[in-house]
Amino acid sequence: NAGVTQTPKFQVLKTGQSMTLQCAQDMNHEYMSWYRQDPGMGLRLIHYSVGAGITDQGEVPNGYNVSRSTTEDFPLRLLSAAPSQTSVYFCASKSGTGVTYNEQFFGPGTRLTVL
Amino acid sequence: RKEVEQDPGPFNVPEGATVAFNCTYSNSASQSFFWYRQDCRKEPKLLMSVYSSGNEDGRFTAQLNRASQYISLLIRDSKLSDSATYLCVVIFYGQNFVFGPGTRLSVLP
Repeated sequence: NAGVTQTPKFQVLKTGQSMTLQCAQDMNHEYMSWYRQDPGMGLRLIHYSVGAGITDQGEVPNGYNVSRSTTEDFPLRLLSAAPSQTSVYFCASKSGTGVTYNEQFFGPGTRLTVL
Repeated sequence: RKEVEQDPGPFNVPEGATVAFNCTYSNSASQSFFWYRQDCRKEPKLLMSVYSSGNEDGRFTAQLNRASQYISLLIRDSKLSDSATYLCVVIFYGQNFVFGPGTRLSVLP
């Protein structure tokens, strides 16, 4: 199993550009999520999904869209990039939708810089 | 007040030392608790879950005090390979994880 994969690993954007961060998992996990990590802030939840066709907002959803058309894929779209979105983005997944299944598996991250 | 707070660190300790990290959480209805480890420029990985009765995994011991809303992680006989950032994680509502800002540990030779 590849686990959770993310592409690209690095990206530089100009203000106002849009792009999609890709995330895929091959563990048949129902729950997937996107976080951003900024120095001193910890990981903050952007959006999450409890299954194909179902998405919801996390703590910091503004400026981001998600979709979940398949169990495997959970892309994150930046609509109009801003310097405040410079961060490291992690995608994660876990099995089950209840508290019994607790370990989240993370992808390697995407380092995004917005100029 | 942040939902999950941790010792600010960094902690610099010699090999073989015992080091303890503290974490507090704001929501008394919190359901589950974890410690994750994150190496520099890498993704977080689960270190251990934290149970009310306390639990131990080799050199690592985790404790939970629900009354004080406090979680701790003790590392005994520190190794160079323990150098990392340790993230306290709490599940407040349903299944969404809330991460603390992390405490960085450097184990020195």
